[in-house]
Amino acid sequence: QVQLQESGPGLVKPSQTLSLTCTVSGGSISSGGYYWSWIRQHPGKGLEWIGYIYYSGSTYYNPSLKSRVTISVDTSKNQFSLKLSSVTAADTAVYYCAGGVVGAMTYDYWGQGTLVTVSS
Amino acid sequence: EIVLTQSPGTLSLSPGERATLSCRASQSVSSSYLAWYQQKPGQAPRLLIYGASSRATGIPDRFSGSGSGTDFTLTISRLEPEDFAVYYCQQYGSSPKWTFGQGTKVEIK
Repeated sequence: QVQLQESGPGLVKPSQTLSLTCTVSGGSISSGGYYWSWIRQHPGKGLEWIGYIYYSGSTYYNPSLKSRVTISVDTSKNQFSLKLSSVTAADTAVYYCAGGVVGAMTYDYWGQGTLVTVSS
Repeated sequence: EIVLTQSPGTLSLSPGERATLSCRASQSVSSSYLAWYQQKPGQAPRLLIYGASSRATGIPDRFSGSGSGTDFTLTISRLEPEDFAVYYCQQYGSSPKWTFGQGTKVEIK
């Protein structure tokens, strides 16, 4: 069973870069057939899709965040990462890493989520 | 951008009752790419339904999905205590690829 775990700082200062890593276990990122994404949830709100990466490195980002987002993959560590630059308080949210099977285009696997607060 | 609007915002029901949740899209959505998730407090969402009507692995048959085009429905035939949660619909397709509805909270009456 595929499991995901987010890691990274829980507090980021305004204007800095938020960096999170998702470690995948129970399956190989480089085996193909899966896409890996970051999704966030503002406190008490709904879900916002940030972007995805395929094992080959191809990416696609939400246009509303595209100018500030980079998602990368490290197949040797079975990890993928999120960088969000120039953060403000509006970026305070629970960040989830998630994965799904190409074809169904759903999110079958989720990390537990990590709260990132943007504050000085 | 396809906007998904869920209704009602909150549904107050008793255990054993039937829950009917609606998800309306601003443009036609492929049924193949309409999904429903359940989220409980402090937990990540869990996939319930994919392809508008197929249950994900391990999901009880009291959960069912239906619909096409712009109107989709999630039905919980008889609410169990563990079903009180927030439910989100999700579509895959046009930019920004994946979008979610704002959620329907099913609460105990």
